[in-house]
Amino acid sequence: GQNIDQPTEMTATEGAIVQINCTYQTSGFNGLFWYQQHAGEAPTFLSYNVLDGLEEKGRFSSFLSRSKGYSYLLLKELQMKDSASYLCAVVHGSSNTGKLIFGQGTTLQVKP
Amino acid sequence: EPEVTQTPSHQVTQMGQEVILRCVPISNHLYFYWYRQILGQKVEFLVSFYNNEISEKSEIFDDQFSVERPDGSNFTLKIRSTKLEDSAMYFCASSETGRGYTFGSGTRLTVV
Repeated sequence: GQNIDQPTEMTATEGAIVQINCTYQTSGFNGLFWYQQHAGEAPTFLSYNVLDGLEEKGRFSSFLSRSKGYSYLLLKELQMKDSASYLCAVVHGSSNTGKLIFGQGTTLQVKP
Repeated sequence: EPEVTQTPSHQVTQMGQEVILRCVPISNHLYFYWYRQILGQKVEFLVSFYNNEISEKSEIFDDQFSVERPDGSNFTLKIRSTKLEDSAMYFCASSETGRGYTFGSGTRLTVV
């Protein structure tokens, strides 16, 4: 089967650092995406990991461990506009253009 | 930055009616997808399309649904005989090999 788990909700303070975890069990893994989604809007791309390790992109970093089926998204210097849902999605299939399997999403609330 | 365009942004239809959701993928992308997100739930894969044919479909994508690329730019999702439970956001996405997925802004379908 295919399963992706993330915490449902998280709260953090403006200026702080928050880590959103994602664990997955899927077959045919071909990479993992993190998307940001504001209510009623489309998912927007944050990061993509296909090899183990850390990818850094400004205030956002993403880590992947394929052997553990684990990823996290790290958000630094939190801003109020970072309040959104964060979606972990695994590329399923034999190529990197296979379907995306999404987790439920983590709703992050940033407080002043 | 290139965008995936979806129309209409919001569609209200009566139960039993047919709807067509339209998408214009990014011009040099070759892989196209439809996803849906029922309010408060996770994003779900419906169908992927490549080289003018369906490459994969989910169990949700039954005979009620069909996809078409009627010309060189549009990609459509048709839902026949809509049901109340078809109410959702429908997202189109396109992908260039190995370069990630770009989502459209979505069509909110409300079946009454």
